[in-house]
Amino acid sequence: GDSVTQMEGPVTLSEEAFLTINCTYTATGYPSLFWYVQYPGEGLQLLLKATKADDKGSNKGFEATYRKETTSFHLEKGSVQVSDSAVYFCALSDRNSGYSTLTFGKGTMLLVSP
Amino acid sequence: GAGVSQSPSNKVTEKGKDVELRCDPISGHTALYWYRQSLGQGLEFLIYFQGNSAPDKSGLPSDRFSAERTGGSVSTLTIQRTQQEDSAVYLCASSLGTGTDTQYFGPGTRLTVL
Repeated sequence: GDSVTQMEGPVTLSEEAFLTINCTYTATGYPSLFWYVQYPGEGLQLLLKATKADDKGSNKGFEATYRKETTSFHLEKGSVQVSDSAVYFCALSDRNSGYSTLTFGKGTMLLVSP
Repeated sequence: GAGVSQSPSNKVTEKGKDVELRCDPISGHTALYWYRQSLGQGLEFLIYFQGNSAPDKSGLPSDRFSAERTGGSVSTLTIQRTQQEDSAVYLCASSLGTGTDTQYFGPGTRLTVL
């Protein structure tokens, strides 16, 4: 079955540091890939997505590139802010579910200190 | 416009009791999803409704769990004879359609079974 593996957290960084959160996946065919973010006390929000190989999703300074050859979708940001502190979830949907339901990784907590 | 809303925000119940959790999707969204977020299992898909089609119940963990969606809008997730392992945050999401449409999540209902 489908699965998503993320690096375990928490990831602790100082403000303006470079961020990478690794995500790899196992899926049938060509899944769509997503990063969701959950800020403290809030619901899940879509951060970015990519629907085919070599696509780059980007939003709020975050980027992730769909790498089919390495089955990866790593999240990066060049300079993190304290306000980026949150839990980040990598997810996929594929044709087995009609590209509807999402399979999530376990989440990676990011803590950014001033 | 209004986002996805869920009620109650918190529910504490005793083992063996039945509970009902409610989700109001974004107006006009035809697809509705229930997920469960727990410490041990991460985010898991439970059930999915699309328009008037039969729901995809493949993620329901046992026959104590059921859900309905009335009039293609509001949905209720019912857990019968609750167990302590049912304690989790139950998340509802809706999307305009299926495929790669963005899923918008509600704030969740935190269920605690004593």
